[in-house]
Amino acid sequence: SQQGEEDPQALSIQEGENATMNCSYKTSINNLQWYRQNSGRGLVHLILIRSNEREKHSGRLRVTLDTSKKSSSLLITASRAADTASYFCATAFSNTGKLIFGQGTTLQVKP
Amino acid sequence: GAVVSQHPSWVICKSGTSVKIECRSLDFQATTMFWYRQFPKQSLMLMATSNEGSKATYEQGVEKDKFLINHASLTLSTLTVTSAHPEDSSFYICSARDYQGRGVEAFFGQGTRLTVV
Repeated sequence: SQQGEEDPQALSIQEGENATMNCSYKTSINNLQWYRQNSGRGLVHLILIRSNEREKHSGRLRVTLDTSKKSSSLLITASRAADTASYFCATAFSNTGKLIFGQGTTLQVKP
Repeated sequence: GAVVSQHPSWVICKSGTSVKIECRSLDFQATTMFWYRQFPKQSLMLMATSNEGSKATYEQGVEKDKFLINHASLTLSTLTVTSAHPEDSSFYICSARDYQGRGVEAFFGQGTRLTVV
């Protein structure tokens, strides 16, 4: 069953602007991961944040995790047209690799 | 990163026939793989956990006789959609984790788009 809710469902911004996506989940987690999916393609792993971490950076990506609110956010700074894709958060309850995905946010970056 | 290869990338089949999808870990051993299903403009739904050398574990609501999973080796899991019908048309994606040291992230195959006509 799905665990995560993401908002917004769709986001349209201009190139150069920042994009923020939020994810909420329902149960305790081991870690939370963000993935990107280009239309009709497989998933690309972006970043992982463990339950004992609060913030993590990777290039233009910044992820926060608030376990008290059971929520996470993904910030993409200085967006590019090539960032246009769907973004999913996924929660892991253990280290088995099993993931439960959120509903996803479709991001459109206009050149 | 680790590579997971899925084949075929797309398949069209007639209603009533069976279709097999392969998921291979190319440069690591995967004792466990996962199969997901994705409908257009929707998220990924976990279907089942494929365990090497033992029976797969299916999520609630997934018909195990409809979606046969075999994980006969440490690098290969197969999903067979039996007696496919148009409502089985979907995007199927597998994933695997490299338990031998590359962290806890899962690596995904490219996905298989199944169209049943």
